[in-house]
Amino acid sequence: DVKVTQSSRYLVKRTGEKVFLECVQDMDHENMFWYRQDPGLGLRLIYFSYDVKMKEKGDIPEGYSVSREKKERFSLILESASTNQTSMYLCASSLDSTPLHFGNGTRLTVT
Amino acid sequence: DQQVKQNSPSLSVQEGRISILNCDYTNSMFDYFLWYKKYPAEGPTFLISISSIKDKNEDGRFTVFLNKSAKHLSLHIVPSQPGDSAVYFCAASVGNYGQNFVFGPGTRLSVLP
Repeated sequence: DVKVTQSSRYLVKRTGEKVFLECVQDMDHENMFWYRQDPGLGLRLIYFSYDVKMKEKGDIPEGYSVSREKKERFSLILESASTNQTSMYLCASSLDSTPLHFGNGTRLTVT
Repeated sequence: DQQVKQNSPSLSVQEGRISILNCDYTNSMFDYFLWYKKYPAEGPTFLISISSIKDKNEDGRFTVFLNKSAKHLSLHIVPSQPGDSAVYFCAASVGNYGQNFVFGPGTRLSVLP
């Protein structure tokens, strides 16, 4: 069974801090994704990666960057956290043309 | 403007009855549709999908119907069980590519014993 693990369930950070959200998958999937989930807005794609060191912007990349140095690991970076980045962050992985497998999410609060 | 809409934020149904969750989309280029289910404190899990060449897909108690002319799809759960209580997200895509998925805002289903 595919396992997507997000390192933190809850994070509280201060405005201006640099924040790292880590995600690891164990099924050798090429594709990895970062979404944020906000009430009334559903899931919105921040960034995705289809291979090591490859990244593509999603619908809302502003204020975020990503890193994929190894196939199994995809990191989301908030260079300078702001209060409007308080949200639930979901990592997912997939093979081409297969459903996304999601992690359990990281609830980030920026104060 | 949201391309994928789920106009009912919540829905309550008696156990054993049918649950019908609705989803509307605006982009006529969408040709692949999925439903995901999400329990609290867990990530969404894939439930069922349908491509635009079909108008119905069934998997056990779950059936998805697609009406392309109306740009509307629905998820039917029969019979509903308390364990079905969750938030259901509809998603649409051009091609079955994860980066193209557009998610709706979700509908919270409560199945009452």
